[in-house]
Amino acid sequence: DVQMTQSPSNLAASPGESVSINCKASKSISKYLAWYQQKPGKANKLLIYSGSTLQSGTPSRFSGSGSGTDFTLTIRNLEPEDFGLYYCQQHNEYPPTFGAGTKLELK
Amino acid sequence: EVKLVESGGGLVLPGASLKLSCIVSGFTFSDYWMRWVRQAPGKGLEFIGEIKPDGSKTNYAPSMKGRFTISRDNAKNTLYLQMSSVRSEDTATYYCARQDPRHYYVMDAWGQGASVTVSS
Repeated sequence: DVQMTQSPSNLAASPGESVSINCKASKSISKYLAWYQQKPGKANKLLIYSGSTLQSGTPSRFSGSGSGTDFTLTIRNLEPEDFGLYYCQQHNEYPPTFGAGTKLELK
Repeated sequence: EVKLVESGGGLVLPGASLKLSCIVSGFTFSDYWMRWVRQAPGKGLEFIGEIKPDGSKTNYAPSMKGRFTISRDNAKNTLYLQMSSVRSEDTATYYCARQDPRHYYVMDAWGQGASVTVSS
């Protein structure tokens, strides 16, 4: 299975700031990386797939980049609703595998 | 509105069986591959398996084969996860998720999860 390593595990920021979350695959997954947001009491939300394509409804302050083994999720001009957990997931091969998550907290 | 609602979780004894359900609405259930994913307390997401739209084929993550069975009833818009011989390490929140039809292995809709605790 492809191992996905996310960093950092925790991240503290203030509204209006920009943050980046990294995800590294144990082998090349081409561009096939998705990002999800998880918040308590809510369904997980698909934000980005294929590395950089925004899912319908994802605000433009979210962006994804990378290919091969290294990927980044960037959130610019943080809004209060952006705080929560973020997971990367490779969708290049079976079985799909996830990173361990990054908790984005209010500073 | 696309909606997925899991049920059937709770406290279960080690070695017992449990069947989770996921009732969906807001889309044509019989058109979609469906998946189960779990999350142990404080841990990341772990893929369990998937089922074809007509129910004729299932695939499981290698670590999940043997004790988990995924099925569906398209007439009832319901997805199932049968768990057998449960162990403490099966304690987790179990999510059903819909496969994005355009991008394989991408999950574009999720339920809020059903909590399962395995303990004596």
